[in-house]
Amino acid sequence: EPEVTQTPSHQVTQMGQEVILRCVPISNHLYFYWYRQILGQKVEFLVSFYNNEISEKSEIFDDQFSVERPDGSNFTLKIRSTKLEDSAMYFCASSEGTSGTETQYFGPGTRLLVL
Amino acid sequence: SQQGEEDPQALSIQEGENATMNCSYKTSINNLQWYRQNSGRGLVHLILIRSNEREKHSGRLRVTLDTSKKSSSLLITASRAADTASYFCATAILLTDSWGKFQFGAGTQVVVTP
Repeated sequence: EPEVTQTPSHQVTQMGQEVILRCVPISNHLYFYWYRQILGQKVEFLVSFYNNEISEKSEIFDDQFSVERPDGSNFTLKIRSTKLEDSAMYFCASSEGTSGTETQYFGPGTRLLVL
Repeated sequence: SQQGEEDPQALSIQEGENATMNCSYKTSINNLQWYRQNSGRGLVHLILIRSNEREKHSGRLRVTLDTSKKSSSLLITASRAADTASYFCATAILLTDSWGKFQFGAGTQVVVTP
């Protein structure tokens, strides 16, 4: 069964460093998302991406964040200058359908620790 | 309260018992979905119920939706230790004819003891 994959599974970085989190969505899906989950807290929406552009972003997704679909399979989240509070689990998700409100399929996540 | 709030926050039951959790929301929705998250893992989609549906079943799961009360419930029947996880509801809202967004609640942590 197709699944969303994410790399790396864990990343440790120093405050101020740039990180790139990678995701490979399910191949025929059109909508892509990033979420984050701070330990013990709810899953928070960061950004959605459709037709090679950001469709919606939350207040969390400030200028330090960017997303890109560099080729036909990868979907990346870049954090330019990491802060301690960026430590969280980051989930990528994708969905097919026509509205972006259909079932989202989540990857296993990347656990980011900023020191 | 926020869109998609689960209740209770935590639930502890014995194997074989039923587990019920609720989700309340504030704005009109296109659909509501329930997800499960095992500790430290990704979210797994369980069931989607559309705004024009009132009840849906999938195996041991039963979901109801009451749009007049803006609430949904997830019932897990005959629970097993493997059902131990956090359960989240996600409300899907259409923003335009072709685009919508999701919002997750804080989740209900369910512990099933043998």
